[in-house]
Amino acid sequence: EAGVAQSPRYKIIEKRQSVAFWCNPISGHATLYWYQQILGQGPKLLIQFQNNGVVDDSQLPKDRFSAERLKGVDSTLKIQPAKLEDSAVYLCASSLDPASGGLGGQYFGPGTRLTVL
Amino acid sequence: GESVGLHLPTLSVQEGDNSIINCAYSNSASDYFIWYKQESGKGPQFIIDIRSNMDKRQGQRVTVLLNKTVKHLSLQIAATQPGDSAVYFCAENRANQGGKLIFGQGTELSVKP
Repeated sequence: EAGVAQSPRYKIIEKRQSVAFWCNPISGHATLYWYQQILGQGPKLLIQFQNNGVVDDSQLPKDRFSAERLKGVDSTLKIQPAKLEDSAVYLCASSLDPASGGLGGQYFGPGTRLTVL
Repeated sequence: GESVGLHLPTLSVQEGDNSIINCAYSNSASDYFIWYKQESGKGPQFIIDIRSNMDKRQGQRVTVLLNKTVKHLSLQIAATQPGDSAVYFCAENRANQGGKLIFGQGTELSVKP
């Protein structure tokens, strides 16, 4: 079974530039999550989708971050404009449904390492 | 505030020894806890989980203990191997929040051959 795919794996940009990350979840997984992981810390949930609808975006800095999952499969996370403190690994995870997502059923991709200079 | 945190940021053990990684949580309403392993350059990988109505759960070489009285859980790894070297996170699940996970800071386990 193919895992969660993310691209790019690494990205270096200057502050105030824009960047976008892409995620392809495991086939059949209705729930998709984006996490931000700052070096030395645990992942922090940014946004959770159920199919193409947003379940939780309470931790998403909406003045600069946006995410979409238009067809309920792939998702993109965008930062515009980027700040130095956005340097982190951005992880995508998916699960069959929200209930199973908490029951150990979240599968993580390898992440995109973003460096903002 | 609400948090899930770890007591020690780093742990170094000899190959073959047992490892114990600790985690404290603050929300007594949490009903599910998960341990993840994260190797360098990879996403977190599920290891074992435990419900709040349990005190202990065992897997292959791993055991999770939950003490609700002091809001503490631990991950025990038996006969630690070099391949166990990674950062370990405990995560708290709140079922009434749609499967949302709250992660702690992590403990880096280093296994010496």
